[in-house]
Amino acid sequence: DAGVIQSPRHEVTEMGQEVTLRCKPISGHDYLFWYRQTMMRGLELLIYFNNNVPIDDSGMPEDRFSAKMPNASFSTLKIQPSEPRDSAVYFCASSFDDLRGGNQPQHFGDGTRLSIL
Amino acid sequence: RKEVEQDPGPFNVPEGATVAFNCTYSNSASQSFFWYRQDCRKEPKLLMSVYSSGNEDGRFTAQLNRASQYISLLIRDSKLSDSATYLCVVNIFTGYSSASKIIFGSGTRLSIRP
Repeated sequence: DAGVIQSPRHEVTEMGQEVTLRCKPISGHDYLFWYRQTMMRGLELLIYFNNNVPIDDSGMPEDRFSAKMPNASFSTLKIQPSEPRDSAVYFCASSFDDLRGGNQPQHFGDGTRLSIL
Repeated sequence: RKEVEQDPGPFNVPEGATVAFNCTYSNSASQSFFWYRQDCRKEPKLLMSVYSSGNEDGRFTAQLNRASQYISLLIRDSKLSDSATYLCVVNIFTGYSSASKIIFGSGTRLSIRP
C-alpha cells in the first residue's frame, strides 16, 4: 500500500517566492496534518484537517502560510512570500479516527526539505 | 506548562544497557498514547502504541500511568541501531462530535555507544 506521498522532496528557492508543498494522504484516512520541524523548535503542528475541513490552524505561524484540502486525497501548504526563516523540513501525516477512543497512529510522509535563500 | 513534556536528553548509554524515559501529559482527557522513533533526517515512524495494561514488543516495553499522567518507554539490551530521537504522542479525544487533538512531545535523544 502506498504511504503518505509528499512532493517535492527538496525545494530551494529565493526569498519572496511562492512555495507550494503537496501531500497525498493514505486512502481512507480522514485526518491530515502538516508539521514543520527545525533543530531549534522541534516538530511543530501547523494545521490539521478532519474530513477535508481545517480543525485547528493555531500553529500556522502567520498569514504568509495557508493550507487547503480540496478533496480527501490532496492537500497543499503554501507560503507566500517565503522568507529564510521558513527553511525547515515540512512533514505531512495522515491517520483515521476509530471513533471509540481516539485517533489511530499517524503515518508520515518523507517530508519536504525547504531552503529559502 | 506544555501539554506534553519529555526530557530532551541526550541519553548516552553503552550498548547492552537498559534505558528508560518518561513523558508526562497534563490533560486528563488524554485517551490514546504512542511512541514514535525518528532517525536523523528521516520522518517520525510509529514504534508502538501504549496500552493501559502496558505492552511489550521485543526489547521495548511501554507503560501508562494514568494516576500520575505519564507514559514510559523501556529499552532493554540496547543496540547501536536504537540511537534515535523518541517522541511521545498523546491523543486527546474531545468527544464524538469533535475531532481529536493530537500532541507530540519534543522528543528525547538517545545515543548508544559501542
